Amino acid sequence: EAGVTQFPSHSVIEKGQTVTLRCDPISGHDNLYWYRRVMGKEIKFLLHFVKESKQDESGMPNNRFLAERTGGTYSTLKVQPAELEDSGVYFCASSQYRGSGANVLTFGAGSRLTVL
Amino acid sequence: AQKVTQAQTEISVVEKEDVTLDCVYETRDTTYYLFWYKQPPSGELVFLIRRNSFDEQNEISGRYSWNFQKSTSSFNFTITASQVVDSAVYFCALSEVNTGGFKTIFGAGTRLFVKA
Repeated sequence: EAGVTQFPSHSVIEKGQTVTLRCDPISGHDNLYWYRRVMGKEIKFLLHFVKESKQDESGMPNNRFLAERTGGTYSTLKVQPAELEDSGVYFCASSQYRGSGANVLTFGAGSRLTVL
Repeated sequence: AQKVTQAQTEISVVEKEDVTLDCVYETRDTTYYLFWYKQPPSGELVFLIRRNSFDEQNEISGRYSWNFQKSTSSFNFTITASQVVDSAVYFCALSEVNTGGFKTIFGAGTRLFVKA
């Protein structure tokens, strides 16, 4: 079974540019989460999809961040325009919708974003 | 408000030493779950254990053991006879049930160095 795949693994952009991160969850996992870790701090929750619906986007920093999950499969997280403080590692995780595995997250390896 | 605190930023031990990683949590819920995840150099977080708030039994899995104490809101992780392969960042996490499902929050992580 393929794991959670994230692309790109590392992106270096200049302030003001746009970046789009992609996450392919485990097939059949309806829950999809985006998290961010900045410079050794805690992994902070950004948002949660159930299938294609945004269940909780309380962690999104501001309207420069836009997440989509069309069709309930892969998800994208776009940052436009990027600012210096957006630098960090963006993690995607997925889990089953129901059952005992619903809160056991499977993570991707993360997308490291560096904004210069 | 929910919070997870991992006070130890980095720990360095020599192989075969025992090491305990501390985790303290805050929550107002009576039903919640606690987790430990390991982040090896490859980047993706790997699930290690989940405990629910009604089960305070300590758990042992090989060289790993976990001590859950509700009285002190702690969920500590001990590695016995550490090995170089245990070198990683370890994250403690708390998951509560809300109307939209589960929301998991993480601590800042503890980086463990095991020297040969």
